[in-house]
Amino acid sequence: DAGVIQSPRHEVTEMGQEVTLRCKPISGHDYLFWYRQTMMRGLELLIYFNNNVPIDDSGMPEDRFSAKMPNASFSTLKIQPSEPRDSAVYFCATSGRGYNEQFFGPGTRLTVL
Amino acid sequence: QKEVEQNSGPLSVPEGAIASLNCTYSDRGSQSFFWYRQYSGKSPELIMFIYSNGDKEDGRFTAQLNKASQYVSLLIRDSQPSDSATYLCAVGDSGYSTLTFGKGTMLLVSP
Repeated sequence: DAGVIQSPRHEVTEMGQEVTLRCKPISGHDYLFWYRQTMMRGLELLIYFNNNVPIDDSGMPEDRFSAKMPNASFSTLKIQPSEPRDSAVYFCATSGRGYNEQFFGPGTRLTVL
Repeated sequence: QKEVEQNSGPLSVPEGAIASLNCTYSDRGSQSFFWYRQYSGKSPELIMFIYSNGDKEDGRFTAQLNKASQYVSLLIRDSQPSDSATYLCAVGDSGYSTLTFGKGTMLLVSP
């Protein structure tokens, strides 16, 4: 059974460019979470979805960040325009209904030059 | 603002010893508690969860919960060098949807 799948695993881009991160959740999991991890701030929740609907996006840093979940099998996190301070590891995690146990994808390491 | 506090470490223990990792949380309404292990450059991996006061054992790992003191701990018996990692404490909200993570404690087990 495949776990959470994220792509790309590494992304290096230049300031001002658009970045799109992708996530495929575990089949049957109806909660999907996007996190950002840095040494300074640890693991921060950016946004989460329940049954493809965004529930809480209060963690999204600013309007440059947006996330979508067009169906139960796919979600994207977009940064436009990107800035060097966006450099971090971005994780997608999913969980089943009624349970807090979250399972993480391998992450995308983003470097903005 | 919900907070989860952990000592950043590193906590250094010799191989075969018991490692004790601690966590405190601010939200008294929290009902679920989790320990994740994160190796350098990897994603967090769930290793234990506990919902009730007391101890829960799984192999070499024991999670302990004291809701009155708002305190969670993880004991690792017979520590191995392969246990060297950062351990993240996470606390679930009362709605059983989101988790708040601590910044983690780095554990170093020396041979």
